[in-house]
Amino acid sequence: KAGVTQTPRYLIKTRGQQVTLSCSPISGHRSVSWYQQTPGQGLQFLFEYFSETQRNKGNFPGRFSGRQFSNSRSEMNVSTLELGDSALYLCASSSGTAPLVPQYFGPGTRLTVL
Amino acid sequence: QQQVKQSPQSLIVQKGGISIINCAYENTAFDYFPWYQQFPGKGPALLIAIRPDVSEKKEGRFTISFNKSAKQFSLHIMDSQPGDSATYFCAAVYGQNFVFGPGTRLSVLP
Repeated sequence: KAGVTQTPRYLIKTRGQQVTLSCSPISGHRSVSWYQQTPGQGLQFLFEYFSETQRNKGNFPGRFSGRQFSNSRSEMNVSTLELGDSALYLCASSSGTAPLVPQYFGPGTRLTVL
Repeated sequence: QQQVKQSPQSLIVQKGGISIINCAYENTAFDYFPWYQQFPGKGPALLIAIRPDVSEKKEGRFTISFNKSAKQFSLHIMDSQPGDSATYFCAAVYGQNFVFGPGTRLSVLP
């Protein structure tokens, strides 16, 4: 069974630019959630999508957005990048049944904002 | 109230010893408490989880102890092995709300 895949694995951007990250969940999983991991703040929940609908959202500014496609693949977009957006972005996939507990995380996308 | 506190920040244990990581929460609405294990360069992986109506859950060398009245829960790793060296995150869930602890870096010395 293939795991959660994320692309790209590494990304370097400059302030003010925008970025799109992609996540493919485990086959059959309908829930995809996104997290930001930094040394200072730890792992923070961004949002969760289930069947193409955003089901829950964390406390991040509107510059962070996402979407999910009919095949459950998900993208996350960050606009007007700031230095503080440098982080490891993880997505996780779950079957989607309650409770919301991500089961399998991808390897992450390391975003560096210069 | 959404915060989950986790301690210690880092932990060094000798091979064969017991590793203990503690977490505490404030919001009594939390009704599910998973633990995750993360190795360098990898994403976190669900390790074990418990509901508050159970005081203890054991899976192999990993045990969660839960104290509902104190709003605390802990992970015990028995017979710790160098391969257990990783960062461990506790988490708390209710409804669609998911909160992670800040993590504990465990190093098991050979």
